[in-house]
Amino acid sequence: DAGVIQSPRHEVTEMGQEVTLRCKPISGHNSLFWYRQTMMRGLELLIYFNNNVPIDDSGMPEDRFSAKMPNASFSTLKIQPSEPRDSAVYFCASRDRVANTEAFFGQGTRLTVV
Amino acid sequence: QKEVEQNSGPLSVPEGAIASLNCTYSDRGSQSFFWYRQYSGKSPELIMFIYSNGDKEDGRFTAQLNKASQYVSLLIRDSQPSDSATYLCAVRGDTGGFKTIFGAGTRLFVKA
Repeated sequence: DAGVIQSPRHEVTEMGQEVTLRCKPISGHNSLFWYRQTMMRGLELLIYFNNNVPIDDSGMPEDRFSAKMPNASFSTLKIQPSEPRDSAVYFCASRDRVANTEAFFGQGTRLTVV
Repeated sequence: QKEVEQNSGPLSVPEGAIASLNCTYSDRGSQSFFWYRQYSGKSPELIMFIYSNGDKEDGRFTAQLNKASQYVSLLIRDSQPSDSATYLCAVRGDTGGFKTIFGAGTRLFVKA
């Protein structure tokens, strides 16, 4: 398996633009997590899904952020409109909840909003 | 109070010494505990997990868990410069959807 795949790896956008981050979890994994990492706040859980259903989105900072998981092999995190304070590394992770595995992380998307 | 707390460091140890990393958590219902290592510019990778009170050893790494004190630690014996990284403590409950919460991480420097 290629692991968790995220795209793009880097994104630079202007304030006010819409940004869409993409994630393909490991095949067979039924839980998917979106995290944001900054120097100031560390690794924050934004939202997670079990079996494609959002379970807890209490970490989503504002209504500008939204996440979807239309099927077991794809998820998106959208920021609209983006702001400079959204600049961070966004990680997607997946795990097999039934087999109780640990979470495996993608390589992350480094987002810069100017 | 943060759900998972770690000393941000940096923790500096000489090569060959024992590095001791500590973590406390607030949710008494937590059942699973993990240590991830993250090199600069890379994603976190799992190095240890522990579910039961006591010690768990894997090579140069030992994880220690004390649920009564809500405390988990990681010992790295014979530290090597390649161990220099940020170590993230993660905690997962077995209810409420099984979400995994991370601490902010401790930066470790191993001096050659």
